[in-house]
Amino acid sequence: GQNIDQPTEMTATEGAIVQINCTYQTSGFNGLFWYQQHAGEAPTFLSYNVLDGLEEKGRFSSFLSRSKGYSYLLLKELQMKDSASYLCAVRGNRDDKIIFGKGTRLHILP
Amino acid sequence: GAVVSQHPSWVICKSGTSVKIECRSLDFQATTMFWYRQFPKQSLMLMATSNEGSKATYEQGVEKDKFLINHASLTLSTLTVTSAHPEDSSFYICSAAPGTGIDEQYFGPGTRLTVT
Repeated sequence: GQNIDQPTEMTATEGAIVQINCTYQTSGFNGLFWYQQHAGEAPTFLSYNVLDGLEEKGRFSSFLSRSKGYSYLLLKELQMKDSASYLCAVRGNRDDKIIFGKGTRLHILP
Repeated sequence: GAVVSQHPSWVICKSGTSVKIECRSLDFQATTMFWYRQFPKQSLMLMATSNEGSKATYEQGVEKDKFLINHASLTLSTLTVTSAHPEDSSFYICSAAPGTGIDEQYFGPGTRLTVT
């Protein structure tokens, strides 16, 4: 079967740094995605990792370790608008189907 | 950038009626489109994968006769919820992939369905 685990909720302070972890067990692996979703809206793409290592994009970075089935999303210089759900998603084989984790609701405190 | 639209953005219907939701890729051709359902405070659940010109592939537990999917062209896929019930009330989101080997899918804005 396929399983993607991430914390349900996290709280952080404006201006700080937060790391959201994701572990996965899937039949095959063909890429890991992070999406941001504000309440009532569709997800927006943040990052894509298919090789081990860190991908940096502005205030957001994503890390992948395929051998450990582990990824994290790092958010720096947190802003109030970063309050949202962050979805970890994995494409387990080459049929382009992406399976989503349950998401982590991030609350930013002033 | 790639844009995906959905119509309608929200709909209210009576129990027992059918509702059609359209998903369009506006500036690219989508060989594959995906339909997701999301209940409040839960993640996206993949319902089916829609390929242009062929039958959709449904995920386990999704009734293909209840959720009819038609991918008639490379820019349009439709989801019809037949004989809707209140438990079908949900947020329905489509996504589109430009082709095989792509790095990401592009999501539509979603359709909020309320069945009374």
